[in-house]
Amino acid sequence: AQSVTQPDIHITVSEGASLELRCNYSYGATPYLFWYVQSPGQGLQLLLKYFSGDTLVQGIKGFEAEFKRSQSSFNLRKPSVHWSDAAEYFCAVGAGRPGGGADGLTFGKGTHLIIQP
Amino acid sequence: NAGVTQTPKFQVLKTGQSMTLQCAQDMNHEYMSWYRQDPGMGLRLIHYSVGAGITDQGEVPNGYNVSRSTTEDFPLRLLSAAPSQTSVYFCASSYSATGQNSPLHFGNGTRLTVT
Repeated sequence: AQSVTQPDIHITVSEGASLELRCNYSYGATPYLFWYVQSPGQGLQLLLKYFSGDTLVQGIKGFEAEFKRSQSSFNLRKPSVHWSDAAEYFCAVGAGRPGGGADGLTFGKGTHLIIQP
Repeated sequence: NAGVTQTPKFQVLKTGQSMTLQCAQDMNHEYMSWYRQDPGMGLRLIHYSVGAGITDQGEVPNGYNVSRSTTEDFPLRLLSAAPSQTSVYFCASSYSATGQNSPLHFGNGTRLTVT
């Protein structure tokens, strides 16, 4: 069965600084990987996804993520954070169903991002 | 376009009561699912459906029932609420259960408290 680990429960970053959120996955085959963001009181919004091909994927709101098979990682990055980026971030892996489909998505436990002024 | 709509937004139940959480999507999505979100646990899949008339269990199905009589609606039923079911519930849908360009769309959640 697949699993996702987000090692950092909380991360604090100054506004304008760069950001990297870590995600490690365990899955036997090529994974389908996702990053979602959740603002307080809201549902989850898809930031970006990786299915195949170029290992550096671009998402919305200036985020990008890099798939590294050798490290089983899919870290999320942003060169300069804004106060509006404060939220909960979830990494997820799909068991061969890109839509999350029949097997559902397995989510990490989330990283809470705090932005300091 | 409303997307995925969940009602109610908040609900308080007493132990043993029953209720139904509603979920509707207007995107003609084939796939729908229910997750629960608990502090420090991420999201866990309760039940899912790959089309009208078809449902299946996810990771944590006990205590919950679902049905999918139409493409649009996927209600989640708690038959006898327990304090362990206190959580935030999210409904999600995607166009296809298998298509590559078919990410999940989430509703805004229902916060349920069982006393």
